[in-house]
Amino acid sequence: DAGITQSPRYKITETGRQVTLMCHQTWSHSYMFWYRQDLGHGLRLIYYSAAADITDKGEVPDGYVVSRSKTENFPLTLESATRSQTSVYFCASSEFRGQGYTFGSGTRLTVV
Amino acid sequence: RKEVEQDPGPFNVPEGATVAFNCTYSNSASQSFFWYRQDCRKEPKLLMSVYSSGNEDGRFTAQLNRASQYISLLIRDSKLSDSATYLCVVNMGGGSQGNLIFGKGTKLSVKP
Repeated sequence: DAGITQSPRYKITETGRQVTLMCHQTWSHSYMFWYRQDLGHGLRLIYYSAAADITDKGEVPDGYVVSRSKTENFPLTLESATRSQTSVYFCASSEFRGQGYTFGSGTRLTVV
Repeated sequence: RKEVEQDPGPFNVPEGATVAFNCTYSNSASQSFFWYRQDCRKEPKLLMSVYSSGNEDGRFTAQLNRASQYISLLIRDSKLSDSATYLCVVNMGGGSQGNLIFGKGTKLSVKP
């Protein structure tokens, strides 16, 4: 199916574990983004990517790692999960950086 | 001053009412502006772009005031299905250079 998909939809993990959230888009958009959404903070940018092998930090990158070996995939890894990383994570893509983004349906991550 | 500020609401209005949301932004160099809609436990979806001359899409009207650095969204003849959180979004870097910054959202509840 065309679009942007995230997996898993829900994830519970333990403190200290590594966890990877997946994001896949079928439009061949150049830009991809990872946001987290928390009550009281709204959407905050974690990392973004302008193209394959080009990534850059956003507002809240600490504790996260990204890679983009293929244009269509942009996985987000929590190297050692902490309770403060409990959040809803949204991936988005766009042909242009400053234009409207299309979001995936999100991953609800709980770190216990 | 926060980068993008919105009144969090909630706005509780009866069906058929007209409701307006305002949003202020801090970077006078910002070039792109959007309103997104987010339903409960769903991803944000682009509602409309905001152009300098103002724009209308059915019951929705968006206005931009660059001098005062604020954006507005007017919803006429509110429907129950308009109940959602409305996110004000600004490209803070100007042109295609910046990432989108999201306001925390204004919650709208339309009652029968």
